[in-house]
Amino acid sequence: DIQMTQSPASQSASLGESVTITCLASQTIDTWLAWYQQKPGKSPQLLIFAATTLAAGVPSRFSGSGSGTQFSFKISSLQAEDFVSYYCQQLYSTPWTFGGGTKLEIK
Amino acid sequence: EVKLVESGGGLVQPGGSLRLSCATSGFTFTDYYMNWVRQPPGKALEWLGFIRNKANGYTTEYSASVKGRFTISRDNPQSILYLQMNTLRTEDSATYYCARDGWGNSFAYWGQGTLVTVSA
Repeated sequence: DIQMTQSPASQSASLGESVTITCLASQTIDTWLAWYQQKPGKSPQLLIFAATTLAAGVPSRFSGSGSGTQFSFKISSLQAEDFVSYYCQQLYSTPWTFGGGTKLEIK
Repeated sequence: EVKLVESGGGLVQPGGSLRLSCATSGFTFTDYYMNWVRQPPGKALEWLGFIRNKANGYTTEYSASVKGRFTISRDNPQSILYLQMNTLRTEDSATYYCARDGWGNSFAYWGQGTLVTVSA
């Protein structure tokens, strides 16, 4: 199985700042990576697929990069509604696996 | 509009069984892979398995943690996805989500989730 190591597990930041979350795959996954946002008590929402492509309706302050085994997810100019949880997921080979998640907190 | 609505969750004793349903609408059900994902309270997401689309023969794949205990099926005329869960354990307690695949195999649409609690 492909392990997805996501870091940090939590991060504090201020409104307007930028943050970057990373995911490291235990073996190459090309660009078969997605990022999701999950608000408390809600189901996850797809933000980015194929490592870099924004899903429909997702604000441009979200971006993704990387290929192979190293991936990054960036939020530029944090808004209040961005302080929730984020997950990466590899979709290269089954079992599809998720990272452990990152919770963003307001500083 | 794509909609996925799970139901069937609840309290069940260890060793018991439960069947979850995911009623879908707004898309051609047979065209898509359908997934089940769960999330224990305060923990990360875990993919459980999927059932392929018509073009791929509706075959299934499962994670090791549920293989042999859980079964995914679909009622294509009714556009409903099922998860039959047998021999439930306390560690199966979680919110269970159905999700439809989309671009690059990603999970483009999710249901609202249904809570399963396994406890004596």
